[in-house]
Formats: sequence, C-alpha cells, structure tokens
Amino acid sequence: NAGVTQTPKFRVLKTGQSMTLLCAQDMNHEYMYWYRQDPGMGLRLIHYSVGEGTTAKGEVPDGYNVSRLKKQNFLLGLESAAPSQTSVYFCASSYGLGGSGANVLTFGAGSRLTVL
Amino acid sequence: GESVGLHLPTLSVQEGDNSIINCAYSNSASDYFIWYKQESGKGPQFIIDIRSNMDKRQGQRVTVLLNKTVKHLSLQIAATQPGDSAVYFCAEKGGSGGSNYKLTFGKGTLLTVNP
Repeated sequence: NAGVTQTPKFRVLKTGQSMTLLCAQDMNHEYMYWYRQDPGMGLRLIHYSVGEGTTAKGEVPDGYNVSRLKKQNFLLGLESAAPSQTSVYFCASSYGLGGSGANVLTFGAGSRLTVL
Repeated sequence: GESVGLHLPTLSVQEGDNSIINCAYSNSASDYFIWYKQESGKGPQFIIDIRSNMDKRQGQRVTVLLNKTVKHLSLQIAATQPGDSAVYFCAEKGGSGGSNYKLTFGKGTLLTVNP
C-alpha cells in the first residue's frame, strides 16, 4: 500500500515550458487535491476533484489545469510555466464520506518545481 | 476572504515540557477545525480534528481546544519529544463560502524541541 505517490519529485523548467505532475493513490479515495506550498504562505488549494471525471477550482487556479480521467490518478498541468509557479506541490486524497471523512487528507511527499 | 491564522510563527520547548500551539480563525461558520503536522521534507500528516459544536477533544498525547467566543483554536502536546519537531498547521473546513471537502490551511508554526 503506497498511499499517495507523486512524480516527479524534482523538476527544473524554463519560462514558457509545459509539464505535467502526476499523482496516484491506491486507497480508493473519492476526493483528490493539488496544493502548492510557498514559504510563509502555508498550503493553498489549486484545484480539486470530488470524483472521476470531475474537477473544480480552488484558491489559486490560474496558470494550472487538471484532469481526473481515472479515480486513482489526478494530473496537474502547467501549460506555460512562469517563475511565480516555483513552489513545492503537494497532492492529497481523502475518502470524502461527509462529516469528518474529508478532514483526513493523505498527502504525497511533494514535487519541487523550479521555473527559471 | 476569510482565513485561518497563527499567533506565533515559531515555538521552542525543552524535551519533556508541554507545548501549546495557537491558531486564530475568522470564519465562525466553519464546521470542523483540524491540525496537521509536517516534518521536514515530507507532506503534512493529520493529527486531530474537532467539530465546531465541541470545545475539547483528546488524542494520544494531544488535546485540541476550541474557544468559539474568541475564535481561538489550540493544540496541546504533552511531554514533547524530539520527534514532535515539525511545522504545525491549523485548518478549517466548511461553513459560509466553504464546502464539505475543502480545507483552508493557516501559515504554520515551527515547533523546535530541544533535548
């Protein structure tokens, strides 16, 4: 049982390049999330998904796109990377059964992205 | 928008002492408040949560207190150990303008335990 796996762990991009961060979970969770973490800013929600085939915007969605074609995978795309997108990205998932079920997020280890 | 914040960005304690990490919140309509721990180089881990209709909840060596009158949340760690050194985040869920599945995180408090 691997939990939440993110790839790649590190990536350096040039401004304007595109890339996709991959997130996979093996816990049969319904809900999946992408957060970014910047120094002094805590965790900010980029996009989330409450089920296969559905996605929604979080606090800071601009410059990112997501897809949830399979229940176990949640992809985060940067179409044209900017230096402001230099950050550590965390994927998370939860059961989302209502009540306190969605309080327990299982996070991946993070993906550190640098945009030059 | 409404946000969750912290009183102290850093806290240093001696091993064996009790630690208290504080959090101020502004969204009085949130239905849950949650604490996460993030060790260096890792993703955050769930510690404990409390529903808004409660004022205290205890876990293993941790206690969360909720004071709705002053919109204050605290995490108490008993007999703090070196392994407790981490950044602690409070988060809120639900309420006006929120949802049942989105967490809003605070900026974090760095806890350092001195041996």
